[in-house]
Amino acid sequence: GAGVSQSPSNKVTEKGKDVELRCDPISGHTALYWYRQSLGQGLEFLIYFQGNSAPDKSGLPSDRFSAERTGGSVSTLTIQRTQQEDSAVYLCASSPQSGGTYNEQFFGPGTRLTVL
Amino acid sequence: AQKVTQAQTEISVVEKEDVTLDCVYETRDTTYYLFWYKQPPSGELVFLIRRNSFDEQNEISGRYSWNFQKSTSSFNFTITASQVVDSAVYFCALSEAKTSYDKVIFGPGTSLSVIP
Repeated sequence: GAGVSQSPSNKVTEKGKDVELRCDPISGHTALYWYRQSLGQGLEFLIYFQGNSAPDKSGLPSDRFSAERTGGSVSTLTIQRTQQEDSAVYLCASSPQSGGTYNEQFFGPGTRLTVL
Repeated sequence: AQKVTQAQTEISVVEKEDVTLDCVYETRDTTYYLFWYKQPPSGELVFLIRRNSFDEQNEISGRYSWNFQKSTSSFNFTITASQVVDSAVYFCALSEAKTSYDKVIFGPGTSLSVIP
C-alpha cells in the first residue's frame, strides 16, 4: 500500500516568507510525528499528534512553528517568517497507534527546505 | 535525561568487510525501547529493529546482528560481509516507556560508506 507522502519534496524560499509543508500519513495510522533533520545532524522531534488528543508541541523550536492535523489524517507544518537556520529536511512519520505499546514509525521521504 | 550517542560520525569499509556501528544510550527508566533505522541516499528512513529493555538476547537477521548490553548501556549493530547497498546513514534511537506516547530520541547518526 501507499506509504507516508510529503509535499513538496523541495522548497526554496526567501528569508521572512511563510512556508507550509504537507504530510499524508498511511491510511489508518492514528499517530503522526514531525521531525527536523539539519545537515549532517540527527533527527530533532518537533511535534506529535495522536488521534483527536491535543498535540505535543514540546519540540517546536519557536512560536514561528505551528502544525495542524485535519480530520485525523493530513498534517501541515507551517513556518512563519522563515530564517536561514530553518533550512533542513523536515520528516514526517506515522504509526498505527501509540501509548503503552511502541509501534514502528513509518517515515516519509521528507521535504528539503532551503531559506535564502 | 535521555540521550543517544553514536561516536562514529563516518565509517568507510571495503566491500565484504564486517563493520560494527556503536550506540550508547542514557536513560533513567528501567523500561525503554531501542531502535536502529537506516537512511539510504534516497533519504527515507527505514526501520531495522526494535528491542525492549527486558530482552537482552542478541538478534541476527541475515547479515545484520545486534548486541544489546545493559551493563554498558550499548546497543551495537554489526553488518557482516558488507555490500555497497549498505551505504547509508544509520541512526540509533531510544524511547522511554514512561512517556504517554512513543517519543523517540535519535542519535546523530553514523554515515557508512561501503567501497566496492
